[in-house]
Amino acid sequence: DAKTTQPNSMESNEEEPVHLPCNHSTISGTDYIHWYRQLPSQGPEYVIHGLTSNVNNRMASLAIAEDRKSSTLILHRATLRDAAVYYCILRPFGFGNQGGKLIFGQGTELSVKP
Amino acid sequence: GAVVSQHPSRVICKSGTSVKIECRSLDFQATTMFWYRQFPKKSLMLMATSNEGSKATYEQGVEKDKFLINHASLTLSTLTVTSAHPEDSSFYICSARFHLLGQGAGGYTFGSGTRLTVV
Repeated sequence: DAKTTQPNSMESNEEEPVHLPCNHSTISGTDYIHWYRQLPSQGPEYVIHGLTSNVNNRMASLAIAEDRKSSTLILHRATLRDAAVYYCILRPFGFGNQGGKLIFGQGTELSVKP
Repeated sequence: GAVVSQHPSRVICKSGTSVKIECRSLDFQATTMFWYRQFPKKSLMLMATSNEGSKATYEQGVEKDKFLINHASLTLSTLTVTSAHPEDSSFYICSARFHLLGQGAGGYTFGSGTRLTVV
């Protein structure tokens, strides 16, 4: 499985933007970049995903480097409810030979200060 | 859409007993479901993949006789922890795969998790 590298933790102030980085230097051409987050004592929830172009949705934006070896999840205005562990995961197109398994790394624990 | 309901949310059981955790897809058919466990302050660890109507595929190191998975219908998968012991205490999470129309990559939705405590 292609691996991702994320900082263990990050801090942010409420109402400020947050940029969560992810390195995936061994990404293949058919890997999608997915972001999930997990609030305390809950299952993960989908945040955003992309392939090559930058993506925006109501939760966040995803900026993908031109060489696709890194990406950044952007929360435009952090709120206290955004405090969670954020996971950057590579998933092959068509589920690949791993049967579509979603393998989680360690993620980044984001804390938001009021 | 694409909601997965997981029950129970919490369970406490005595050592040696068995516990069943259910995972239901509410508004879609889930041909494939995944089961994870998570220890405090750790990431999710994939235990097994279950496909409707066939045997589950377990990850290396996961005891299939201890963690029985049944995926008898397109909307229900169950995980039974048999002869539970305190070291089985953990947070168990199910996930189902669904198709994102026109996007070539499927999405995954997760249950809310089950906190198992074995005493």
